[in-house]
Amino acid sequence: DTAVSQTPKYLVTQMGNDKSIKCEQNLGHDTMYWYKQDSKKFLKIMFSYNNKELIINETVPNRFSPKSPDKAHLNLHINSLELGDSAVYFCASSLFQGLAGTSYEQYFGPGTRLTVT
Amino acid sequence: QKEVEQNSGPLSVPEGAIASLNCTYSDRVSQSFFWYRQYSGKSPELIMSIYSNGDKEDGRFTAQLNKASQYVSLLIRDSQPSDSATYLCAVRGYNQGGKLIFGQGTELSVKP
Repeated sequence: DTAVSQTPKYLVTQMGNDKSIKCEQNLGHDTMYWYKQDSKKFLKIMFSYNNKELIINETVPNRFSPKSPDKAHLNLHINSLELGDSAVYFCASSLFQGLAGTSYEQYFGPGTRLTVT
Repeated sequence: QKEVEQNSGPLSVPEGAIASLNCTYSDRVSQSFFWYRQYSGKSPELIMSIYSNGDKEDGRFTAQLNKASQYVSLLIRDSQPSDSATYLCAVRGYNQGGKLIFGQGTELSVKP
């Protein structure tokens, strides 16, 4: 029944570790996103994939590597975790939006709260 | 200048009143505008989208867009305590694909 799901919901780890977050959507969308929400609740896009192709890649440290095995799944792997990576990471999905084409609404997953100690 | 700006609040209104949430954006050619509601500890939930100038109503919610003034607002009529949340304004620019730029959010508190 869940539209956009993420695992795990909580992730507590130490500095220097490598971790992954998984996302899946069953809405039939072909585009998926990763957003980061910091402690001040500011939500910022990190990456977007359309049909396994990376289409948005914001200024994000290359310790962050997204991977999309198919259009229903998007994972985020983070190497060498730092204190500043602590945040809530949201996955979202939508139908594909071309550069200047029709806007489609994005739907968010429940989030993964990452705490780096 | 921030790309999308909202009053951070908190905005406090009594139950039954109209809550007015405002958002300005800097990119004049922005195309699409969205309001999300986020309860504490939860994910953003889409409540309104608006693409052309004027008003768009959905139940107790009305979104208003004025592209000339680069301004979008959300009115919540007959506010209920369950409307207490942070409201996020999001803007999609021209030639930006699916990239949404979010404001910092306005915290709304509806007092019984």
